[in-house]
Amino acid sequence: EIVMTQSPATLSVSPGERATLSCRASQSVSSNLAWYQQKPGQAPRLLIYGASTRATGIPARFSGSGSGTEFTLTISSLQSEDFAVYYCQQYNNWPPIFGGGTKVEIK
Amino acid sequence: EVQLVESGGGLVQPGGSLRLSCAASGFTFSSYEMNWVRQAPGKGLEWVSYISSSGSTIYYADSVKGRFTISRDNAKNSLYLQMNSLRAEDTAVYYCARVFDSGYSDYWGQGTLVTVSS
Repeated sequence: EIVMTQSPATLSVSPGERATLSCRASQSVSSNLAWYQQKPGQAPRLLIYGASTRATGIPARFSGSGSGTEFTLTISSLQSEDFAVYYCQQYNNWPPIFGGGTKVEIK
Repeated sequence: EVQLVESGGGLVQPGGSLRLSCAASGFTFSSYEMNWVRQAPGKGLEWVSYISSSGSTIYYADSVKGRFTISRDNAKNSLYLQMNSLRAEDTAVYYCARVFDSGYSDYWGQGTLVTVSS
């Protein structure tokens, strides 16, 4: 079973700053990786699929990159509504596995 | 507008059973694969089960295999999760989610809380 490792666990960032979140797979997942955002008390929301394609309605400040085993989610200029937990998920192999999440908090 | 609405959660004793439902609207339900994903209190996301659009292909996480049964009724635009032999570690918010491209989940319901406790 593939293991997805996200780092850091918590990222403290000031509004307007850039945030860079990492996700590593224990074996190659090609570009079959998605990113989700989850705010407290809410369901996850799809941000990125195919490692780099933004989902419908997702602002351009969110970007994804990487392939194989190393992936990055970048938020170019953090807005107040972006403080949340972010999860990566591989879907190259069964079962689909989520990373442990990165909490982006206000610095 | 795509909507997924879960129901059926609640408090159940260890060893008990519960049936979750997910009512889908705003899209052609019969054309989409579906997942159940859960989240224990304060924890991350865990995929639980998958069902293909026709219901002919089903997968389960090892943690629930043999205890949970996923099903769907395309005529009623509904997804189900029958949960038997429940354990304390099954306590979580359970989300139904539409699957796209046989992989990621593009729409999620609001979740229903299942609490297993005596």
